[in-house]
Amino acid sequence: LAKTTQPISMDSYEGQEVNITCSHNNIATNDYITWYQQFPSQGPRFIIQGYKTKVTNEVASLFIPADRKSSTLSLPRVSLSDTAVYYCLVGLSGYALNFGKGTSLLVTP
Amino acid sequence: IAGITQAPTSQILAAGRRMTLRCTQDMRHNAMYWYRQDLGLGLRLIHYSNTAGTTGKGEVPDGYSVSRANTDDFPLTLASAVPSQTSVYFCASSDSPSGGQQFFGPGTRLTVL
Repeated sequence: LAKTTQPISMDSYEGQEVNITCSHNNIATNDYITWYQQFPSQGPRFIIQGYKTKVTNEVASLFIPADRKSSTLSLPRVSLSDTAVYYCLVGLSGYALNFGKGTSLLVTP
Repeated sequence: IAGITQAPTSQILAAGRRMTLRCTQDMRHNAMYWYRQDLGLGLRLIHYSNTAGTTGKGEVPDGYSVSRANTDDFPLTLASAVPSQTSVYFCASSDSPSGGQQFFGPGTRLTVL
């Protein structure tokens, strides 16, 4: 089971780009990297998923180096509404996924 | 389309009582999961089911049981609740156990006194 390490908290100002890096040194060959966002009193919500290189959607980008031992979630031009906890997950859904404690992002004006 | 629903929304329960948290999804997803979330500990997987008729243990299964009689429902039972089971419980589902995104329910806030 791949263990992930990400910063406990990050602060940013509105309009800035935020990059959250997750380390997963023992990622397995078949593992995907998935990021979720969670607002208070709500369940987590899927943001983006990737296997290698770069993935981009309307919300974020995910950068994965060739060795796949880390990944970086990039949020362009954050707003106050991006204040949330962000979780990095590595593995195959259904096999004891570990959400960990996530990164608490605070965006201020 | 409701997606994934949980009931009850919240519950206060006396220690020693039996409680079943309900979870239903209408997306015909194969895999379903139960997590608990405690302050400072993130989300921890309790039990999961990759398909109807099968279940597996997650990180913190003790004191909980699940069943998966059909695709849509995945109830979580606390046979004899204890105060340490006070938590917010989230149910989730995904269409595939292999890399599929999980969809979460709104959660059940359970307090055991």
